[in-house]
Parts: sequence; C-alpha cells; structure tokens
Amino acid sequence: RKEVEQDPGPFNVPEGATVAFNCTYSNSASQSFFWYRQDCRKEPKLLMSVYSSGNEDGRFTAQLNRASQYISLLIRDSKLSDSATYLCVVNNFGNEKLTFGTGTRLTIIP
Amino acid sequence: DAGVIQSPRHEVTEMGQEVTLRCKPISGHNSLFWYRQTMMRGLELLIYFNNNVPIDDSGMPEDRFSAKMPNASFSTLKIQPSEPRDSAVYFCASSFRRATNEKLFFGSGTQLSVL
Repeated sequence: RKEVEQDPGPFNVPEGATVAFNCTYSNSASQSFFWYRQDCRKEPKLLMSVYSSGNEDGRFTAQLNRASQYISLLIRDSKLSDSATYLCVVNNFGNEKLTFGTGTRLTIIP
Repeated sequence: DAGVIQSPRHEVTEMGQEVTLRCKPISGHNSLFWYRQTMMRGLELLIYFNNNVPIDDSGMPEDRFSAKMPNASFSTLKIQPSEPRDSAVYFCASSFRRATNEKLFFGSGTQLSVL
C-alpha cells in the first residue's frame, strides 16, 4: 500500500461549482499534512497546511480525519485559475521527509 | 530573494553520459531536498540535507546517483552513467527547519531526457 494515495482524476468541474477530493495515508503516526498545488510544467507550491481542527482559507477548506486516516480539500465557487494538480503531502513527527501523493488533476470548465 | 535556483532547465543527453544537476537554495534555509517526478511515480524524495549534511539518502535509486552539498548555498545531483529510465523532472527544494510545519520552496526543476 502506498504511503499516500489520491484519486488521480481528472476531475472536470464547471466554473462556480464546488469540488472536493480526498487523500488517504497509511502511517497512523503521521503528524503534519499539507496540500500543494502544481500547475502544468511548473513546480509545486504550498496551498495550505491541514490542521487537526480543520482550516479555511478563502474558498478553500481542508479537513483531517485521523480515525479514518484521510485528509480532504474542498474548493467552493471554483475559478478557471483553480485548474491544476493538487498534491496531498504527509510528514511524520520529527522527520523532515515529506511524502507526496501522485496528485489529483482538476480542470475547471468555463 | 530569487527563490531556489536550478540549472540547467533542460538537459538532453545520451545513455552512458554523466549528468550533473545544480541547485542554489534560498539564502538562510538550512534544509535542502532533491526530488524526482515522473508521471507514473509522482514526486519521490531522493535525498535531503540538513546544515549541509546528508540525512537520508534512502531514496537514491542506485549507486549511479550521488549528491553533494559542499556549502550552504550549493548542491549537486550527479548521475553517472545515465540511463533512459532516469528521464524525469528533477526538483530541488529548500526550507528553514522549525518544528514540523516547514514550508518547502521548490525550484523550477530540471527536465532530463536520456536518449
């Protein structure tokens, strides 16, 4: 089983819609969680950290479910500029190694 | 700050040749990471350094791969001899380590094609 698993998509969503995708992780000792965004032919960039209590940043909401070992990302009122690949990232306590999922590709359709 | 700088942006070489990728981390960052990205396997951590010291190289695929960090502002990843299956995008990233929520800053990557 992979350490971090994501549905590769693609998710094709009309502009203005709400879209959500999950990511599961296998190591119950994982402590830190992140969502990174990667545009086509570009480097990954941090979108947001995921906190135990869940957190929101504008149209983006991240949730953590430790019992089921998954994190989620919800995008409301999607924009064309949200089209990208979203990478789920997990880190274990005391360890600098960030493990990346293979990404979920999202395309927002006009 | 210019961010993490990688060179070259693109490298095309023939099987058996030596390839050297270069990285300049963000000034003040004390951790440096080398990742490889392919469609099939996604982003894989090859090796990372903390304060110029290699901490974990378990991701280095085989002895053909080596990495060095002679000082805080420069690192290299070398493949010798290169093989077609090494074709991928190689990213360097840096961070300033504090607790566990450090943010990784990636360079623009080196697209390597081994023919």
